[in-house]
Amino acid sequence: SYVLTQPPSVSVAPGKTARITCGGDNIGRKSVHWYQQKPGQAPVEVIYSTTDRPSGIPERFSGSSSGNTAALTISRVEAGDEADYYCQVWDTIIYHWLFGGGTKLTVL
Amino acid sequence: QVQLVESGGGVVQTGGSLRLSCAASGFTFAVSPMHWVRQAPGKGLEWVAFVSHDGSLDSYADSVRGRFTISRDNSRNTLFLQMNSVGGDDTAIYYCARHRDEGSFDYWGQGTLVTFSS
Repeated sequence: SYVLTQPPSVSVAPGKTARITCGGDNIGRKSVHWYQQKPGQAPVEVIYSTTDRPSGIPERFSGSSSGNTAALTISRVEAGDEADYYCQVWDTIIYHWLFGGGTKLTVL
Repeated sequence: QVQLVESGGGVVQTGGSLRLSCAASGFTFAVSPMHWVRQAPGKGLEWVAFVSHDGSLDSYADSVRGRFTISRDNSRNTLFLQMNSVGGDDTAIYYCARHRDEGSFDYWGQGTLVTFSS
């Protein structure tokens, strides 16, 4: 079965750029979605279709994908960006949805 | 605005049953496919089940197939999850989420906590 692999944690200083990766076999051929989840809150979609931002999500959040790695990039990181981030794909053949294990972003 | 409000969570004995509900408002529920997603304490997100806009198509994660049933009542703008033969591994916060055509989950409820105890 398809597996999405994320690093457990990423740390970044305020004002710098954070890059959270999501590894999967030929993930560059799939549509990848990203969610932000703060403690005690429901997840919030921050990127869909690999590169698109939902309404209300700052331009600081961007997505990319190539080969076996997709990435969520957060520019000019703020303290409020500290959260868990999850990647997700949809297997349109068997109608299953899959999440990566999640990455905890720490703002130093 | 889009609102999804889950209810029905609580403490249930292992092997028992529980029915979760998700009340939807702020959008045309009858044309929107829906999902249930869960999160065990301290763990990541796990997709549980999907239902098409009219209930004619459903799909389940291997971990719950044959035990859980997703359904909907479009006349009441409500999504359901019937949970049977439950065990400790099913302890989690259960979220309902709206399906975006591109395959993501664009809106989420706040979740309802289900705890299974022996």
